[in-house]
Amino acid sequence: DVKVTQSSRYLVKRTGEKVFLECVQDMDHENMFWYRQDPGLGLRLIYFSYDVKMKEKGDIPEGYSVSREKKERFSLILESASTNQTSMYLCASSSLSSGAYEQYFGPGTRLTVT
Amino acid sequence: GENVEQHPSTLSVQEGDSAVIKCTYSDSASNYFPWYKQELGKGPQLIIDIRSNVGEKKDQRIAVTLNKTAKHFSLHITETQPEDSAVYFCAASRGASFGNEKLTFGTGTRLTIIP
Repeated sequence: DVKVTQSSRYLVKRTGEKVFLECVQDMDHENMFWYRQDPGLGLRLIYFSYDVKMKEKGDIPEGYSVSREKKERFSLILESASTNQTSMYLCASSSLSSGAYEQYFGPGTRLTVT
Repeated sequence: GENVEQHPSTLSVQEGDSAVIKCTYSDSASNYFPWYKQELGKGPQLIIDIRSNVGEKKDQRIAVTLNKTAKHFSLHITETQPEDSAVYFCAASRGASFGNEKLTFGTGTRLTIIP
């Protein structure tokens, strides 16, 4: 089974702090994604990556950056956390080589910025 | 870019009845339409998907229909059971060729099955 793990289930940070959210997948997937989930807004794509050291902006990249130094790991960085970044963050991975289009999601990190 | 609208936002049905969730999309180039189910405390999980060359697909109690002309697709759950209670998301994509793996999600439907 594909497994996508996220470093924390719950995180509380202060305004202005630098925040790192880590995601690791164990299926050698090329593609990795970061979403945020907010009530009434669904899942919105922040950044995604097709390969190591590659990154593409999603629909809401402002205030975020990402890093992918190894194929299995994709990090989301909040350079200076703000209260409007309080949200559930979901990581996902997928692979073209399998021929399937499915994205596999981690359990999410609920981030609270105070 | 793509815009996906999903209705209703909440849905309650009696156990054993059917549930229908509807989505519309805006990008005529979209050709892949998955549905994800998110149970409490978990990430979304794919339950069924349909590609634009097919009008309907069924997997046991769940089915998805697609109307390309009208740009809408629907999820149908028959003989609902308590374990169907969850949040359901529709999504649309231009497909899984390089550069097109992005999914645009709807806003979600919270389905509650009443015993």
